[in-house]
Amino acid sequence: QQQVKQSPQSLIVQKGGIPIINCAYENTAFDYFPWYQQFPGKGPALLIAIRPDVSEKKEGRFTISFNKSAKQFSLHIMDSQPGDSATYFCAAGGTGTASKLTFGTGTRLQVTL
Amino acid sequence: GAGVSQSPSNKVTEKGKDVELRCDPISGHTALYWYRQSLGQGLEFLIYFQGNSAPDKSGLPSDRFSAERTGGSVSTLTIQRTQQEDSAVYLCASTLGALSNYGYTFGSGTRLTVV
Repeated sequence: QQQVKQSPQSLIVQKGGIPIINCAYENTAFDYFPWYQQFPGKGPALLIAIRPDVSEKKEGRFTISFNKSAKQFSLHIMDSQPGDSATYFCAAGGTGTASKLTFGTGTRLQVTL
Repeated sequence: GAGVSQSPSNKVTEKGKDVELRCDPISGHTALYWYRQSLGQGLEFLIYFQGNSAPDKSGLPSDRFSAERTGGSVSTLTIQRTQQEDSAVYLCASTLGALSNYGYTFGSGTRLTVV
């Protein structure tokens, strides 16, 4: 009930490509869906987040698509760059102050020249 | 401080020894979380402190793990009688308030190696 399933485990794209990372959740009480980016040796950093009242959110080259009926959401990175090479985690949680995030298992993205 | 500070950054310990990991959250952040990141795995929730409320300990994997938060600020995660399977990166995060408004700010973690 608390799981968040993430795929693929790893992804290699060429510069300029559009990597897509998918996540699925089970708990219908989740109403906050962030994505975190992690570089080696660093903690994850919040990248972009969405609430279920919208189906898409864009911030710069990063877009979240959200499908509430399917309980799925995905991250798209437009015009990917080598500097985007990192591990990406999706997460899900509640919006109240007494909430915690449940994370997916991560996707290691490599953007080649 | 400017960010969440964790110490030590690396810790190597012998099996059976106790270890203490420290987290200094961002000043004023009311909520503090501990997660564990094992090689190739996601972030596993361990424990959560929110203000003066009783902590949510539902993620602690065994009674060898404990944590406290003193004065609503610094937190210490203690692992007693360490085992090799405890080897992981332990991440601390804090947040100012509701998750949807602020998200987590993570520290850089403590890499624990049990030999």
